[in-house]
Amino acid sequence: EPEVTQTPSHQVTQMGQEVILRCVPISNHLYFYWYRQILGQKVEFLVSFYNNEISEKSEIFDDQFSVERPDGSNFTLKIRSTKLEDSAMYFCASTGQGSQETQYFGPGTRLLVL
Amino acid sequence: KNEVEQSPQNLTAQEGEFITINCSYSVGISALHWLQQHPGGGIVSLFMLSSGKKKHGRLIATINIQEKHSSLHITASHPRDSAVYICADLISNFGNEKLTFGTGTRLTIIP
Repeated sequence: EPEVTQTPSHQVTQMGQEVILRCVPISNHLYFYWYRQILGQKVEFLVSFYNNEISEKSEIFDDQFSVERPDGSNFTLKIRSTKLEDSAMYFCASTGQGSQETQYFGPGTRLLVL
Repeated sequence: KNEVEQSPQNLTAQEGEFITINCSYSVGISALHWLQQHPGGGIVSLFMLSSGKKKHGRLIATINIQEKHSSLHITASHPRDSAVYICADLISNFGNEKLTFGTGTRLTIIP
């Protein structure tokens, strides 16, 4: 069964460093999402992406965050200058028809900012 | 502001019991998702529904749009059902979509 994959599974970085989290959505999917879950808290929406542009973003997704789909398969989330409070599990998800289908989640990347 | 509330926050039951988890949301939605989060953190989508009822194996999800309420039921519960169950409502507006998540219900099934 096709699945969403994410790399790395874990990343430790120093505050102020840039990180790039990578996701490979299911190959024929068109809608892509990033979510985060701070330890012990609920999952939060970050951004949705369709047709090579952001379609919706939350208040969390400020200028430190960016997303792109550089090569038609990878979907990346970049955090330009990490802060301690960016430590969280980051999930990528994709769906073929947006709101008409369930979302398929990747296994997540656990980011720890020191 | 859209709020999604779940109850109970924690639920412990004996194997075989019938389980009900409730979800309420505050604004009109396009669809409601039920998700399962395993102890390792991975998230699996169980259901997406916008009306009525859906069934998959021992899992049943219902939604009442007028009352802004959904329930997830598990029949003949088993220890492997132990996980966090999360509801999330989807608001879709001219192709812009956003999921708002509840805090989750931690379910523990004791053999």
